[in-house]
Amino acid sequence: GAVVSQHPSRVICKSGTSVKIECRSLDFQATTMFWYRQFPKKSLMLMATSNEGSKATYEQGVEKDKFLINHASLTLSTLTVTSAHPEDSSFYICSARPSGQETQYFGPGTRLLVL
Amino acid sequence: QKEVEQNSGPLSVPEGAIASLNCTYSDRGSQSFFWYRQYSGKSPELIMSIYSNGDKEDGRFTAQLNKASQYVSLLIRDSQPSDSATYLCAGSGSGYQKVTFGTGTKLQVIP
Repeated sequence: GAVVSQHPSRVICKSGTSVKIECRSLDFQATTMFWYRQFPKKSLMLMATSNEGSKATYEQGVEKDKFLINHASLTLSTLTVTSAHPEDSSFYICSARPSGQETQYFGPGTRLLVL
Repeated sequence: QKEVEQNSGPLSVPEGAIASLNCTYSDRGSQSFFWYRQYSGKSPELIMSIYSNGDKEDGRFTAQLNKASQYVSLLIRDSQPSDSATYLCAGSGSGYQKVTFGTGTKLQVIP
């Protein structure tokens, strides 16, 4: 149980384009999902907290207009990187927290390369 | 600022030995603690959660929590080369607050 999927697992795009990443909880409902970014050999950095049916809460320094988050259902959250630039290239990881629990379960991550 | 601190390592132990990973936290209100394992290039996977003072055992893993000292540890018995990874400690406050992650300790188990 507690499986989280992400799609796509890897994406290469041109600078200036937008990329959407999906995060799904497959066998549980998640009122809250989290989006992280991780650069090579660096620690996880929380970008935003996504709550079903409401606006996401962004961490300091994360541009909400650049990283659009939608959490339209209890099993799906999406992160859209708008007008991507090479510096946005990173490993994006989502996690989901089953309703009523404190434990987070991570998706497999999406590796984004912006050329 | 709520912080979770870990020694970045690397911590090297011989195969079959006990690996001891340590973590301290600054927020006395933290209630729940988690250990995740992250292999290079992969996302973190949950190893254990612990909520009460004392020890919690699961197979070769034992988590220890001391709220008075604000200290969490993870012991890995009979360490295997496949245990080589970065171990992330995380803590959260009450009321389903967001989890704060440490920067991770890299463990190397030498065959």
